[in-house]
Amino acid sequence: EAGVAQSPRYKIIEKRQSVAFWCNPISGHATLYWYQQILGQGPKLLIQFQNNGVVDDSQLPKDRFSAERLKGVDSTLKIQPAKLEDSAVYLCASSLVGQARAGSPYEQYFGPGTRLTVT
Amino acid sequence: AQSVTQLDSQVPVFEEAPVELRCNYSSSVSVYLFWYVQYPNQGLQLLLKYLSGSTLVKGINGFEAEFNKSQTSFHLRKPSVHISDTAEYFCAVSRGYNKLIFGAGTRLAVHP
Repeated sequence: EAGVAQSPRYKIIEKRQSVAFWCNPISGHATLYWYQQILGQGPKLLIQFQNNGVVDDSQLPKDRFSAERLKGVDSTLKIQPAKLEDSAVYLCASSLVGQARAGSPYEQYFGPGTRLTVT
Repeated sequence: AQSVTQLDSQVPVFEEAPVELRCNYSSSVSVYLFWYVQYPNQGLQLLLKYLSGSTLVKGINGFEAEFNKSQTSFHLRKPSVHISDTAEYFCAVSRGYNKLIFGAGTRLAVHP
């Protein structure tokens, strides 16, 4: 079974430029997540999709970040314009089920991440 | 709101020694608990999870963790570590709505 794919793996841009990241989840996984991992911190959820609908985007800086999941499969995360503090690893994850029920096991599978450096 | 505290940012240990990585959480409701491992330049891999039932959970690579509700802890242990266990370890909590809240991570450094 193929894992979660992300591209590019590395990106260096100057501040105020725009950048886009792509994620292809595991086939059949309904839920897709984008996390931001700043150096020295744990990942933080930016946005969660179930199929092509947004479940949670409360931590997404909507003035500069946007994300979409066309047809409930692939997803792109965009930053425009980038700031220095956006330097981080952007992780995509997917899971089979949507909202977990009590006693219902689930697991989030993570991609390798995209390391963004904003100079 | 939930939060996760990993009490040690770095843990150095010699090869074949036992290790414990500490994790405490705060939540007013029942939660699911997880440990993930992250090797350099890679994504996160699930080591083990506690959803319900037995409080002692066994995971991959010889790791285990014990859920202690009264102390709100979920410490990760391994009786004998290898050089290959050198990595960053993250404790995470979820209320079951799939959003994971992570601790800041513990860097385990295994020395020969």
